[in-house]
Amino acid sequence: EIVLTQSPGTLSLSPGERVTLSCRASQSIRNNYLAWYQQRPGQAPRLLIYGASSRAAGIPDRFSGSGSGTDFTLTISRLEPEDFAVYYCKQYDGSSLTFGGGTKVEIK
Amino acid sequence: QVQLVQSGAEVKKPGASVKVSCKTSGYTFIAHYIHWVRQAPGQGLEWMGWINPNSGGTNSAQKFQGRVTMTRDTSIRTAYMDLSRLRPDDTAMYFCARDLNFPISPPSFDSWGQGTLVTVAS
Repeated sequence: EIVLTQSPGTLSLSPGERVTLSCRASQSIRNNYLAWYQQRPGQAPRLLIYGASSRAAGIPDRFSGSGSGTDFTLTISRLEPEDFAVYYCKQYDGSSLTFGGGTKVEIK
Repeated sequence: QVQLVQSGAEVKKPGASVKVSCKTSGYTFIAHYIHWVRQAPGQGLEWMGWINPNSGGTNSAQKFQGRVTMTRDTSIRTAYMDLSRLRPDDTAMYFCARDLNFPISPPSFDSWGQGTLVTVAS
């Protein structure tokens, strides 16, 4: 099973700042089967990025994904108040899916 | 619009089973896989498995094999997840989620149910 490690665990930032979240895999992820989700308190997760870099429908272009192999990044170019949430990466290895432990982006 | 509406909260005793439903609308039910994901209180997300609503075929995470059963009723556009031999550490919010276009493209959960809280306690 591929283990995803997200870092840092928590980020304290101010609106307007740029943020880069890391997701590192224990093995290379085939075909960039890596997705990112946002979860606000009390809500279901929301798909942001799939295929490592494709934005889901309706997702603002301040969100971008990049990376390949074992190292992936989610970047938010300029934090809006609604972006303070927990972010999860997720991979698929052909038979099983696993999520990372999440990174919480909180207001400084 | 796409909607997934789950059944209400459940309280179960250890050893019992729970069945959670996920009623869908706003799209062609058999055209999109349904996944089940759970989240223990204050914890991260854990994938449990998927069902192909067209064929009824399923795949579950190894951790849940033998305990989870995923089914669907195409006539009422509803998917179900049955978890047996419940333990206190199965206490969690259980979500169903629609897949964007798997297996043509990578699994991507583009619409989610509101969640069903299952509490396991004696």
